[in-house]
Amino acid sequence: QQQVKQSPQSLIVQKGGISIINCAYENTAFDYFPWYQQFPGKGPALLIAIRPDVSEKKEGRFTISFNKSAKQFSLHIMDSQPGDSATYFCAASPGSGAGSYQLTFGKGTKLSVIP
Amino acid sequence: GAVVSQHPSRVICKSGTSVKIECRSLDFQATTMFWYRQFPKQSLMLMATSNEGSKATYEQGVEKDKFLINHASLTLSTLTVTSAHPEDSSFYICSARWLAGSDEQFFGPGTRLTVL
Repeated sequence: QQQVKQSPQSLIVQKGGISIINCAYENTAFDYFPWYQQFPGKGPALLIAIRPDVSEKKEGRFTISFNKSAKQFSLHIMDSQPGDSATYFCAASPGSGAGSYQLTFGKGTKLSVIP
Repeated sequence: GAVVSQHPSRVICKSGTSVKIECRSLDFQATTMFWYRQFPKQSLMLMATSNEGSKATYEQGVEKDKFLINHASLTLSTLTVTSAHPEDSSFYICSARWLAGSDEQFFGPGTRLTVL
């Protein structure tokens, strides 16, 4: 599997602040980039996803920014809340063809939002 | 909609026994299901891709004779860990692609396997 590099490994943000998590990929065949939120002992839940034909997608307090030329994408959590404290994973998958729809995950970012 | 369940949620077994984990898509037909393993404080690692009615495709380094996958229907895939050993203790998670041609995957709640 091609690698997806995620940073930072951990992040502490004050309540109301902006949390920013970054990912970079190598495989130019990737064309689907989701972000997942995982709480301890639970499966990942899809937060938001983007395709390379748009540079930004916003859903509520969550925004993905995508830079195709730099092969980077990031998750911004606005007005971060203690309930957002979880581990966040970026991922990527190719569309059709070999390995289609198989997700490659970043290593994860543990977000702690402090009151 | 798009709910995926797993059973059991937690299992403890003795070394050398086999354990079966079920993954069900409750409200949709899943053409493809995926099995992942996640060790503590680590990311999800894809073990295998399972298409209904055909043999699973295993990732490099995953023993297909140890991790038996069956995808007998569009709503059920099973993972059997044969002759489990303590090093197989992990969090096993399945996901299902909910629509042919769709990229979206929905994940199950995971199964915690502990091998004594």
